[in-house]
Amino acid sequence: DAGVTQSPTHLIKTRGQQVTLRCSPKSGHDTVSWYQQALGQGPQFIFQYYEEEERQRGNFPDRFSGHQFPNYSSELNVNALLLGDSALYLCARGEDYTFGSGTRLTVV
Amino acid sequence: QQQVKQSPQSLIVQKGGIPIINCAYENTAFDYFPWYQQFPGKGPALLIAIRPDVSEKKEGRFTISFNKSAKQFSLHIMDSQPGDSATYFCAASEGNQGGKLIFGQGTELSVKP
Repeated sequence: DAGVTQSPTHLIKTRGQQVTLRCSPKSGHDTVSWYQQALGQGPQFIFQYYEEEERQRGNFPDRFSGHQFPNYSSELNVNALLLGDSALYLCARGEDYTFGSGTRLTVV
Repeated sequence: QQQVKQSPQSLIVQKGGIPIINCAYENTAFDYFPWYQQFPGKGPALLIAIRPDVSEKKEGRFTISFNKSAKQFSLHIMDSQPGDSATYFCAASEGNQGGKLIFGQGTELSVKP
């Protein structure tokens, strides 16, 4: 959906490295949520940002952090990557729950 | 209590058939129930959503049936087509708009020509 743009589309990282994923919702949507979708599973909520503050957080370790910018775009940072962090990372905008196409992260 | 249980895990129907996917929840605070369709390598796309104040909602060939007392809801796809072959997820959220979604485990649907 052109309403949410995510980059990059694919990424390969080595265990222990750090990664930053990006999300840009269509203007006017001030809430951004991040989800992790492992292969064959439903998306799992990581956290949500509203007006540049983390508003809700799911059951993910502190290695997962985020940021929201004044233009409502957002970043997801994952430190000390583990093999188990390999997944599709999805961003959803605001109140209508529209998702982007995601970033496929592979940790080797 | 935060779980949404979805069944079946996979489903095969013939073209024109009516696949039915079911979901159940425990948290009575849930007040928004969307269904998503996901193709391989793509993000989930919102198909249709319902709130607990109605028992049924139709959009095109997709219908949600909602049973508040049983805490169950289901998706029916009328006149299914091979292009409907995808993974379908139910979800639920509570409270503020835009709040976190709790997803079911997904149903892989295959519609045979």
